[in-house]
Amino acid sequence: DAGITQSPRHKVTETGTPVTLRCHQTENHRYMYWYRQDPGHGLRLIHYSYGVKDTDKGEVSDGYSVSRSKTEDFLLTLESATSSQTSVYFCAISERQIGVTEAFFGQGTRLTVV
Amino acid sequence: KQEVTQIPAALSVPEGENLVLNCSFTDSAIYNLQWFRQDPGKGLTSLLLIQSSQREQTSGRLNASLDKSSGRSTLYIAASQPGDSATYLCAVEVRGGGSEKLVFGKGTKLTVNP
Repeated sequence: DAGITQSPRHKVTETGTPVTLRCHQTENHRYMYWYRQDPGHGLRLIHYSYGVKDTDKGEVSDGYSVSRSKTEDFLLTLESATSSQTSVYFCAISERQIGVTEAFFGQGTRLTVV
Repeated sequence: KQEVTQIPAALSVPEGENLVLNCSFTDSAIYNLQWFRQDPGKGLTSLLLIQSSQREQTSGRLNASLDKSSGRSTLYIAASQPGDSATYLCAVEVRGGGSEKLVFGKGTKLTVNP
């Protein structure tokens, strides 16, 4: 398995509180991604990073921010959590090798906003 | 905008049956296509990756094909087993503006009955 660790694995938080999810990789891959997975919507890209301090928005970035100060860590922050952000969050990493990019996923963080 | 569709959304088959899962995408300008497996409450496990220049890839009882011109891929599972029960997702890699991203279908939930 690719060395990807997400923390925490489960979290319950109250509406309006800030929440930070962490993704840590040991593969030294350039690209890191945050997805959310919801019934009926599948996996949707929130934000991604293509290098240290290089990040960009995905298709559902509103209400989320990210930071990548080191190659191995990619943080996802919900500045003020809302019930609509209750979801399962997945981190992924990828690296282009010999023209081929293969993605690997973490085990997910189940976030409940009450 | 790239869109990925997987049909059917759910499939139930008896053990031992050969089956085909379908994936279609709207924009043929893809770089790779990747098939994943997801067990309930777990992360995604990469099964097969097909480069855009390839027609198919095989791993054990799994065979994935790719027809870029028609925007279609299939995942063939031979001699299905109850342990194959899971959700199968396909994702296409798109590139642009120096970034690389995966666009996912919503998955096919497979149940193999003993």
